[in-house]
Amino acid sequence: DAGITQSPRHKVTETGTPVTLRCHQTENHRYMYWYRQDPGHGLRLIHYSYGVKDTDKGEVSDGYSVSRSKTEDFLLTLESATSSQTSVYFCAIRPRDRSTEAFFGQGTRLTVV
Amino acid sequence: DQQVKQNSPSLSVQEGRISILNCDYTNSMFDYFLWYKKYPAEGPTFLISISSIKDKNEDGRFTVFLNKSAKHLSLHIVPSQPGDSAVYFCAASDGGATNKLIFGTGTLLAVQP
Repeated sequence: DAGITQSPRHKVTETGTPVTLRCHQTENHRYMYWYRQDPGHGLRLIHYSYGVKDTDKGEVSDGYSVSRSKTEDFLLTLESATSSQTSVYFCAIRPRDRSTEAFFGQGTRLTVV
Repeated sequence: DQQVKQNSPSLSVQEGRISILNCDYTNSMFDYFLWYKKYPAEGPTFLISISSIKDKNEDGRFTVFLNKSAKHLSLHIVPSQPGDSAVYFCAASDGGATNKLIFGTGTLLAVQP
């Protein structure tokens, strides 16, 4: 357990509504990531952060935005949820430089109906 | 464009035998490679890694081999156990300031008793 908490763990929302997922870490790690996992696609990077207010896009960033106003929190927002965003979302943190592994949260299962 | 590829969606192995999971990558800038294991309804957990300056890394029953010229890595599990049944993801790091981890699509390993 790398001190990562994702909330909520499950959510059902309607198409067109905004949704925010939260990733909270307790160990002040610099690097944080949001991934989505879908059958046949593995884990795809949505957005990542390399410091407070420092964020950038990943492979599948369309329809998503992020914010990191504090080291410990990395928020993922679906501006207007669509059915294609039904997925399992994982937050990850990476303690130091490139020679270390990333630790993942337990995931958030999001269903857009 | 999939930079990290796992061409076998699934693999079935008898208990006690060797499991070999394969991964190919296209980006020659990748310099650190990792394997993750994932059980249903849980986040991925780190298994083993290898730096591009090495061609082999071993940890107990798990060994990762890297062939840089072929841009190929493999994970060997010997002997395989039923508890090893899970989805295995290969990941690669592109270094730099952002430490992004790019994942493959995963291989579902089933170890038969």
